[in-house]
This record gives sequence, C-alpha cells and structure tokens, in this order.
Amino acid sequence: AQSVTQLGSHVSVSEGALVLLRCNYSSSVPPYLFWYVQYPNQGLQLLLKYTTGATLVKGINGFEAEFKKSETSFHLTKPSAHMSDAAEYFCAVSAAGGTSYGKLTFGQGTILTVHP
Amino acid sequence: KAGVTQTPRYLIKTRGQQVTLSCSPISGHRSVSWYQQTPGQGLQFLFEYFSETQRNKGNFPGRFSGRQFSNSRSEMNVSTLELGDSALYLCASSDSSGANVLTFGAGSRLTVL
Repeated sequence: AQSVTQLGSHVSVSEGALVLLRCNYSSSVPPYLFWYVQYPNQGLQLLLKYTTGATLVKGINGFEAEFKKSETSFHLTKPSAHMSDAAEYFCAVSAAGGTSYGKLTFGQGTILTVHP
Repeated sequence: KAGVTQTPRYLIKTRGQQVTLSCSPISGHRSVSWYQQTPGQGLQFLFEYFSETQRNKGNFPGRFSGRQFSNSRSEMNVSTLELGDSALYLCASSDSSGANVLTFGAGSRLTVL
C-alpha cells in the first residue's frame, strides 16, 4: 500500500523567491513518484517524475525534485517563483514495476500563492 | 498530438438519475484510468481499463462502472446519483511502458442537485 503526505496545504512566496513544496511518501514496495500541477478549472499536468535512475529529476517550468529514499521524501523546488506558478500542486506515488495499472495515490495538494 | 478529451465538460443532474461520461485517450494509448476529485476526499482512483478489460479498481460502490471500447475510448457511468457524487471526474491515459505516467484530460464537472 502507498500513501502520500504533503506538508502544508497552503504555501505563500514572493515573486523571485525559492519555492519548496514538501512531499513524504510511504510505500511497501519501490515507488514511482510524480508531481502534478492543476490550474483552476483544468486537469492535472505532469511536472516531473521519478521512476528509475538519477534521483534528482528536472521537470517543466524550472521545477525539480529529489528522491531521497532514506527520508522517504520527494520535495519539489524551484529557485525563483513566477506569478504564473500560482496553482495547486499534487504529489503522487505508485508501485514500481508496471503493476499499478493506472493507480496513483495522491497527496491532498498544496496551493501555492505567489505575491508580487 | 491531441490530448485526452473528456465530454461533457459540465453537467447538472438530480438525485436518482444516472450519468455517462466519455473519454478519448491520446492516440496510441491503450490504458485509460478514471479519478474522482472532491474538496473533501481529494483525488481518488476509480478504475483502469486496458484493451477493453478492467485491470484495476478503487474502493467505490457498484454504482460506479466503466467500460472501454476497441478504439480505447472509455466511458464511465454513475447510476442512482447521490449529492455526494458531485465532483470533478478526471480521465487519464497512459502508454504501455509500465511507468504509470498518466496524462489527464480537463475533466467533467458533475453537479448533483
């Protein structure tokens, strides 16, 4: 079984400041990890994913995340926030190995607000 | 390449009615998954279809059902609607690589009165 905890339901930053959104996961098997972003009245857009290989993964729009197995974490960062980054962000986990068949377990989401 | 298309985008039903939502996956994607998103419960997995077969399902009552056609298009049906079924229903498709990378549609927002 998998679970995801996103620390902080709301995060507020100033434009140009560092963005850090925290995600901790629990999984009884090796995980695949994902970050998705959702803008109002839209679906989810994949930001980045960790499946195998390098633990520091880079995604779209300048975001990156690092898989830390020892800490069971997959925090999302961006060096400099932009107003267009304001959205809700979801961390998700699935079991590795191709047996999850479409099932992702999502965190509760973090709403990012960017102030001018 | 066209994305995942969901229809209708918005609909309003009354309690006791049934509803059918449609999803067209990305061309070449044979896996289609469905999720329910509500403010209280967040994103919850409903079921997944691959080659017209349900391979996985979440913990939802039998009022929620789905199917997939030979062209990979999928539909989900909710019968005997309840107020609590009001939600954004998201469809996602993926390729057969096994990496479980889902591409989501814009969703169908269902309101039950």
